[in-house]
This record gives sequence, structure tokens and C-alpha cells, in this order.
Amino acid sequence: AQSVSQHNHHVILSEAASLELGCNYSYGGTVNLFWYVQYPGQHLQLLLKYFSGDPLVKGIKGFEAEFIKSKFSFNLRKPSVQWSDTAEYFCAVKNQAGTALIFGKGTTLSVSS
Amino acid sequence: DADVTQTPRNRITKTGKRIMLECSQTKGHDRMYWYRQDPGLGLRLIYYSFDVKDINKGEISDGYSVSRQAQAKFSLSLESAIPNQTALYFCATSDTRGTGVEQYFGPGTRLTVT
Repeated sequence: AQSVSQHNHHVILSEAASLELGCNYSYGGTVNLFWYVQYPGQHLQLLLKYFSGDPLVKGIKGFEAEFIKSKFSFNLRKPSVQWSDTAEYFCAVKNQAGTALIFGKGTTLSVSS
Repeated sequence: DADVTQTPRNRITKTGKRIMLECSQTKGHDRMYWYRQDPGLGLRLIYYSFDVKDINKGEISDGYSVSRQAQAKFSLSLESAIPNQTALYFCATSDTRGTGVEQYFGPGTRLTVT
């Protein structure tokens, strides 16, 4: 069965530190990949997505992700985090049937000011 | 996203009670989904619907049922609530005319079953 693995359960950083959150998926065919963010007490919002083309995808709020097909990875990065980036981050992949998204278990990011 | 609304936002109920969670959207999307979120488990798909006559079970449909009353409305029912259904429930929508899978989420319903 398809799966999405997020290796970091909880990441703690100081403001201005660089961020990289890992995401690996199991499906080897054509993939549609997403990163969603959930700020405390709020719903999920789309950060960025990859369907095809340039493997380096830029999203909102200074986030970017790189699709590396050979590694089945779609890691999320930000050069300098802010306190307001404190949130839970979810990686997701479209399932093979194209009917829904499969989500990872999430990574909680805590940024101290 | 204000285009996807869920009611109620919070609900406490007792074991054995029937409860309905409602979702409405003004985005004009044809696809709607129900997920539950549990700490450390991420989001898991309960049911999804591609139009009013199309209902499909997701990963964890046991103990739940759904109704797609109209293109804009998709309700989730717990026929006889049990404590391990305590979770945060999200409704989401997507549009076949777009990517088909990029999903837009409602604000969530926090359900507690005592």
C-alpha cells in the first residue's frame, strides 16, 4: 500500500535557524505531492505542491520543497524560520487511483523567539 | 478557509449517542471528503464523494456513515459513538475541473465522546 513517511515527529528550532523537514513516499509512478501546514487551532492550509516540471517548488511564506525522484523524497525547507512558523506540517501524496490524498503523520515545528 | 464550513465546531457527547457532523462549501467543488486527525497519526480518510450519487469508503469507515445531500453538503454520522472516536474531524473539498486532488479544508470539528 502507498505510504508517506515523515521522519521528524517534533523539531525544535530557534528563530533564524534553517529548516528541513523530511518526507518520503512509497509510490514509484507519476506523483502529485503536497505540503500542508496547520497553525495552532486552525485548519490545514496548502503550503506548496508539485505536479511536474521544475523539481524545486516554491510556496507561500518563504517555504520551498525539492522533489528528488530517485530518492522518493519531497523535503520541505526554509532558510530562516520565524516564531510564526510554529505549526504542524503534513506531507501528502495523491493515491494511485487518483481519488484522494495520503497524508504523513505530521511534524510538529516549535520555534522559539 | 471560509468557503468550507463545518458545524458544530466542538461537541461533547456520550457513548452510544448518534451524532451528525455537517459540512457545507461554497467553492462549487464536486468532490468532498471526511478525515479524522489523531495526535501522532496524521489525517486518515473516512469517506469521500465525487458527486451526489457517488459515495466511497476510505481507510477507516467502520462506525461511520455519510450522506451527500447536495453538491455543497456532505454530512458524517456516528451511529453509536464510542470513546475512541474522540478526534478532530475535517471536511475537505477538491475540484475535478482543477487538479482533482488539491484539497481545501474546513476549520474542523473537535468531537469528544465520554
